[in-house]
Amino acid sequence: AQSVTQLDSHVSVSEGTPVLLRCNYSSSYSPSLFWYVQHPNKGLQLLLKYTSAATLVKGINGFEAEFKKSETSFHLTKPSAHMSDAAEYFCVVSEPGGYQKVTFGTGTKLQVIP
Amino acid sequence: KAGVTQTPRYLIKTRGQQVTLSCSPISGHRSVSWYQQTPGQGLQFLFEYFSETQRNKGNFPGRFSGRQFSNSRSEMNVSTLELGDSALYLCASSLQGAGEQETQYFGPGTRLLVL
Repeated sequence: AQSVTQLDSHVSVSEGTPVLLRCNYSSSYSPSLFWYVQHPNKGLQLLLKYTSAATLVKGINGFEAEFKKSETSFHLTKPSAHMSDAAEYFCVVSEPGGYQKVTFGTGTKLQVIP
Repeated sequence: KAGVTQTPRYLIKTRGQQVTLSCSPISGHRSVSWYQQTPGQGLQFLFEYFSETQRNKGNFPGRFSGRQFSNSRSEMNVSTLELGDSALYLCASSLQGAGEQETQYFGPGTRLLVL
């Protein structure tokens, strides 16, 4: 069975400082991993996805994530936080199958302090 | 291409009533999944439809049902509403809904408030 753990429910950073949102996963297969962002009262928007092509994945809005198989981690980073990054972020694992086998993390709320 | 659309965006109902939510997937997408999002339980999978057939179902009572039409549009219905059904209901579409590399694209959600 697959699972995903987001290690921090809340992260607070100052504007202009780096962002690190942590995600660990468990899977019996070589999964695909995704990060989604949700702004207040909005749907989820895809930030980036890992599909085994490259371990360092670049996404939108300056975010990137590194897949580390030995650590079963897929942490999301950004060099410099912007006020507009304040949102909730979800790490998602997907396994192969005849239908969508997707598991969402519990989310990390990012606060950006001016 | 237009994104996933959901109607209505907001709903207020009273306990015991029923409600129908609608989702139009991205053109060409045949898989539609529904999720319930609440502050306490997070994102929970309701069900997934592909080619008018329910292919996968989460752990929700039978009051929650859905269907998919031949044009891939989907509806979900909740009967005998309870206070705990107040949530953001999200719809997501993907091409085939199979395989780990497929991306799900989410709609803006329907915010349901049950009084």
